[in-house]
This record gives sequence, C-alpha cells and structure tokens, in this order.
Amino acid sequence: IVLTQSPATLSLSPGERATLSCRASQSVDIYLAWYQQKPGQAPKLLIFDASKRVTGTPARFSGSGSGTDFTLTISSLETEDSAIYYCQQRSKRPPLTFGGGTKVEIK
Amino acid sequence: QVQLVESGGGVVQPGRSLRLSCAASGFTFSSYGMHWVRQAPGKGLEWVALIWHDGSYKFYADSVKGRFTISRDNSNNTLYLDMNSLRAEDTAKYYCTRDQCTTTSCYSAYWGQGTLVTVSS
Repeated sequence: IVLTQSPATLSLSPGERATLSCRASQSVDIYLAWYQQKPGQAPKLLIFDASKRVTGTPARFSGSGSGTDFTLTISSLETEDSAIYYCQQRSKRPPLTFGGGTKVEIK
Repeated sequence: QVQLVESGGGVVQPGRSLRLSCAASGFTFSSYGMHWVRQAPGKGLEWVALIWHDGSYKFYADSVKGRFTISRDNSNNTLYLDMNSLRAEDTAKYYCTRDQCTTTSCYSAYWGQGTLVTVSS
C-alpha cells in the first residue's frame, strides 16, 4: 500500500490552520496513524486509528478520514508545531508503509 | 517509563554484516510486538521489520528481505537486527519501536533515539 502525502511543504503563520493530506493506494479502513518528527528527534505518535489523539497530544491536532483519504488538521498553529509529519498505515498484514512526509514551516 | 536504547551502529563496508541491538526497559518486553524503522539522511521513514511479542512471526520490507533478520531475547529484554550483505542504500539511522495496541490495531507508540549505520568503502 502506497501512501502519498501532500503538500510536501506547508508554510503558514502562527494562528493559521494547517491541513495535511494522506492518500492511500487502497483502502486501509481507519488504520492510519500520524507522527510528528522535529529535527534531531525520533518521531512521536500523535494520532492513531485515523482520529484518536494519543494522551498528551494537544487538542489543536485532529485527524479525520477513512478508506483512502485522510487529513491531519492543526487548528491554530504554534511555533512548536514546526516539524515533519508522517502518516503510516497499519492495515492487515505487513509490509507497513509510511508516507513521504509533509514539512510544516512556521513563518 | 518506557525506554528503548539502540546500539551497534557504525561504519561498515559494502557486503559486510552488522548486528544492531535495542535494550528495552520500563515495560514487560515479552508482551509487545517490536519493530525496526530506518531513516536515510535527510529522507523519510521506512519500516524495516516487525517481530511478534513471542517471536513467532516476523515480517520484513521487500528492500531487506533475505538480508536482514529480526530477533528478540525476551529473557534479556533485547531486540536485534542482523544485517548481512549491506549496501550503500542501507545507510540510515535505525530506530527500534514498540507497539501499542488497540482492540483492532497496533501503532509504534514508543521510539528509541536511533543508531546510525553508514555503509561505505
């Protein structure tokens, strides 16, 4: 299953809304996660099962979608949200796959 | 708290072998599936391998199948990745991750800090 993320880069100002897309080449039901990776750090799980926030993930992060189209929304950007965001599918059996990532830059 | 500490990375010549280790602590290691995920310099994440909690099932990315072997020692809380016939394209930081499962699926909720493997002559 191939995951395609868009856009590759998103450049927005603090307080703006960010909308990140992840499209799967075939249905993954709701078995999709979003990870955040900041420079020099390991990735961090934010959202699982497409829309469920991990404990500690700020409420401004929300996930939606099912099947092949998924969205990560950051409702009001903060400077600390500058990172690369990856989606990953965990549908059925491996191989597991990650999307290519979306870099969020804060102006 | 959950801790995953990778080791064993370094510079290795093409065609040679290397073994990575991941020391786990802060949880019951034998109860969780474990993965290796890698990231080439400046690139995205690539899933490498998965081993079930009891070692009964193992899965690999096509890019490493037949060359890499994932294993675990539940008595010593350690995950391994044996890498043979290394290629330049295997150069990456290798992360060890632990599954966290819902009733229907599992996700890599915990990550180590990674160990860097450089394949170069």
